[in-house]
Amino acid sequence: KQEVTQIPAALSVPEGENLVLNCSFTDSAIYNLQWFRQDPGKGLTSLLLIQSSQREQTSGRLNASLDKSSGRSTLYIAASQPGDSATYLCAVDRNSGNTPLVFGKGTRLSVIA
Amino acid sequence: SQTIHQWPATLVQPVGSPLSLECTVEGTSNPNLYWYRQAAGRGLQLLFYSVGIGQISSEVPQNLSASRPQDRQFILSSKKLLLSDSGFYLCAWSAPSLNRVGVLDTEAFFGQGTRLTVV
Repeated sequence: KQEVTQIPAALSVPEGENLVLNCSFTDSAIYNLQWFRQDPGKGLTSLLLIQSSQREQTSGRLNASLDKSSGRSTLYIAASQPGDSATYLCAVDRNSGNTPLVFGKGTRLSVIA
Repeated sequence: SQTIHQWPATLVQPVGSPLSLECTVEGTSNPNLYWYRQAAGRGLQLLFYSVGIGQISSEVPQNLSASRPQDRQFILSSKKLLLSDSGFYLCAWSAPSLNRVGVLDTEAFFGQGTRLTVV
């Protein structure tokens, strides 16, 4: 059974810092890995999708990497801003893409001005 | 462009009352559809998913049910709510397709959620 773990559970940093969020999964037979952002009381916003054949994806100040063989992904946020404060969730496909995502519990990020 | 609509945004229901949450997707056909529940401190729990009309897979046995009467409509229901049904319910869709380099793109997109409080 696939299990996804995110470390740390919560993180507080001063504005301007670069930071890394970690995600690990127990079964390396994944298809894709997706990072989401969730603001309090809101739905999930897709940030980055890394296909299993890729090693990283970038969008603006965000960079996500994937090491499928070791079951790890990281989300790097450069020059953090207070607007980045949210919960960040990592999720993996089980295999063929027609099966649902399995989620970690998220990392709650606070960026202090 | 594709959009997903989920309603209502908030709902307060007494124990034992019925439930119907609706989710619709626009701008795509034959999507995979999902219902998740998010409880405080427990992460997202998959409840149901559907790969086509009338096809429902249940991940967790409970007093909830799901139906897909139309291609882009997914409904979450209960005949009698329990206190433990309180939570944040999220609908999502994906449409697996091969991208231009022949790799399957399975990106998932979520609705804004329904906050259900059973009292």
